[in-house]
Amino acid sequence: GENVEQHPSTLSVQEGDSAVIKCTYSDSASNYFPWYKQELGKGPQLIIDIRSNVGEKKDQRIAVTLNKTAKHFSLHITETQPEDSAVYFCASFNFGNEKLTFGTGTRLTIIP
Amino acid sequence: EAGVAQSPRYKIIEKRQSVAFWCNPISGHATLYWYQQILGQGPKLLIQFQNNGVVDDSQLPKDRFSAERLKGVDSTLKIQPAKLEDSAVYLCASSLGWGPPEKLFFGSGTQLSVL
Repeated sequence: GENVEQHPSTLSVQEGDSAVIKCTYSDSASNYFPWYKQELGKGPQLIIDIRSNVGEKKDQRIAVTLNKTAKHFSLHITETQPEDSAVYFCASFNFGNEKLTFGTGTRLTIIP
Repeated sequence: EAGVAQSPRYKIIEKRQSVAFWCNPISGHATLYWYQQILGQGPKLLIQFQNNGVVDDSQLPKDRFSAERLKGVDSTLKIQPAKLEDSAVYLCASSLGWGPPEKLFFGSGTQLSVL
């Protein structure tokens, strides 16, 4: 089955700096890659996603890049703010077997 | 738009006891998921419903876990008997329909502690 590795597991960034979280996947048939943000005591919330026919997608301060050949994708957050502190999960979806597999999560802390 | 509702928020039980969780998805959402999230890990799918039918329950420990979605709306997840390793947050999620789980909405979860 699909295996999604995510790193780093924890990341501390000075407010205003950029943060990058990276994921790799194993199933070459995976073709949809969402990112979720989970705040304490809440369920994950979709923040951005990318399909396999696109190399990069941007939404204000967040962007996602995808390298299908290398089977890795990354989340980039620029101009970080205290409210960006949360746990972030990457995931991969396979249209063929309809399975969504999550990474292990990255705890991002923004230092004021 | 009301979100995915789950109850209870917290539950503490002793091992070998039974427990049940309830989920009310967003109105009109055909697909409902139950995930188990162990501390420090990503959510793991337990079961997926499309309306009131089971789409995927391959990772549901069927000797102790059961789930139903009567009338294709609310759902309950039950554990009987509970084990220590069942301590986790149980998340319910819903989406409009088939295909990629875009716009997957999660509830706040039920935190289960098995002592």
